Amino acid sequence: DQQVKQNSPSLSVQEGRISILNCDYTNSMFDYFLWYKKYPAEGPTFLISISSIKDKNEDGRFTVFLNKSAKHLSLHIVPSQPGDSAVYFCAARPSGTYKYIFGTGTRLKVLA
Amino acid sequence: NAGVMQNPRHLVRRRGQEARLRCSPMKGHSHVYWYRQLPEEGLKFMVYLQKENIIDESGMPKERFSAEFPKEGPSILRIQQVVRGDSAAYFCASSPQGDTEAFFGQGTRLTVV
Repeated sequence: DQQVKQNSPSLSVQEGRISILNCDYTNSMFDYFLWYKKYPAEGPTFLISISSIKDKNEDGRFTVFLNKSAKHLSLHIVPSQPGDSAVYFCAARPSGTYKYIFGTGTRLKVLA
Repeated sequence: NAGVMQNPRHLVRRRGQEARLRCSPMKGHSHVYWYRQLPEEGLKFMVYLQKENIIDESGMPKERFSAEFPKEGPSILRIQQVVRGDSAAYFCASSPQGDTEAFFGQGTRLTVV
């Protein structure tokens, strides 16, 4: 039972354009959401997070949007850079716990 | 300030042997998490520990797997009598508090032959 879903396994975007990565979840008890970036043979690197009481959080080129009614999360990267090429994981934390439930990842390729 | 340190980076074990994976959290972090990533899958939560306490082990297999985070020294994930299906990347993460973002180490890639 996959509670956090990233339905696009891969995405290619031209350098300078916007990258939009999507994530859907099924558990309405998630209260905190995060995005991690992962390069091959490395651990995930924290990018940005959002609490369930907010609908948007912005940090530089990265913005996360949360639509609670649709149980949908998205990460916008603008402008996209070749160094952004990596696998992006969304993760959600069930309320009252300290563990994250991860999606299966989306491989982003930014073309120069 | 060094990040989360995991060792070894790569570990090869024969079926039936024991595997010990070590994790030193970031300085000042007293919360440690272990995750496992199978090929082509996302990370799966295994266990959450604070110093000398297991807080949540809901993701740990019931047999052969154990974890500890002693008062002194690194956190240890121990897998007894390894089988081929245990081959995976094991990631440790740490945080200063349980409700803040966790920072991950580079992982230990376990191969069971």
